[in-house]
Amino acid sequence: QKEVEQNSGPLSVPEGAIASLNCTYSDRGSQSFFWYRQYSGKSPELIMFIYSNGDKEDGRFTAQLNKASQYVSLLIRDSQPSDSATYLCAVNAGNNRKLIWGLGTSLAVNP
Amino acid sequence: GAGVSQSPSNKVTEKGKDVELRCDPISGHTALYWYRQSLGQGLEFLIYFQGNSAPDKSGLPSDRFSAERTGGSVSTLTIQRTQQEDSAVYLCASSRLAGPYEQYFGPGTRLTVT
Repeated sequence: QKEVEQNSGPLSVPEGAIASLNCTYSDRGSQSFFWYRQYSGKSPELIMFIYSNGDKEDGRFTAQLNKASQYVSLLIRDSQPSDSATYLCAVNAGNNRKLIWGLGTSLAVNP
Repeated sequence: GAGVSQSPSNKVTEKGKDVELRCDPISGHTALYWYRQSLGQGLEFLIYFQGNSAPDKSGLPSDRFSAERTGGSVSTLTIQRTQQEDSAVYLCASSRLAGPYEQYFGPGTRLTVT
């Protein structure tokens, strides 16, 4: 069974620090990788996606993908209290448009 | 542009009643997904529509759940004979025809079965 695993947290970081969120996946055929943010009581919101090995940067966010290790991470630089949320990792395998979802990591940024 | 819309935003129903939840995807998005999220839990996949293909119903938890998509756009999720364990937030998402198939979510419908 295809799985996506994340530490549930909570991950607590001080304001201004770098938050590092990690995700591993079981299906080596996975091709696209997504990070979503979900505030309490709200629906998931796409932060960014990555499909090539290496780093992809978008503002304060950097996604890192290592297909050999089946590992994808999200770095949040200069963390702000407004970044406090649950971060969901999702993985797409091949041409199937379904995403396999992790359970999410709760992040708390402390002022 | 307009995002995914869902209605109603909240629904309270009595056990045993039928409910219909509606989703209107982003214009031009060919794929539509329904998920369920119970309080404090992860996303549970329910059903997926892609164009005119047969839907992937592999996540529907029982035969009380059904969904249809009319004209390749609006979708309705129907729950018959609701049970208390059906209480959750029902989320709809849509994605484009071309990859990488990122999904965009609606605001959800919070269903409470009393």
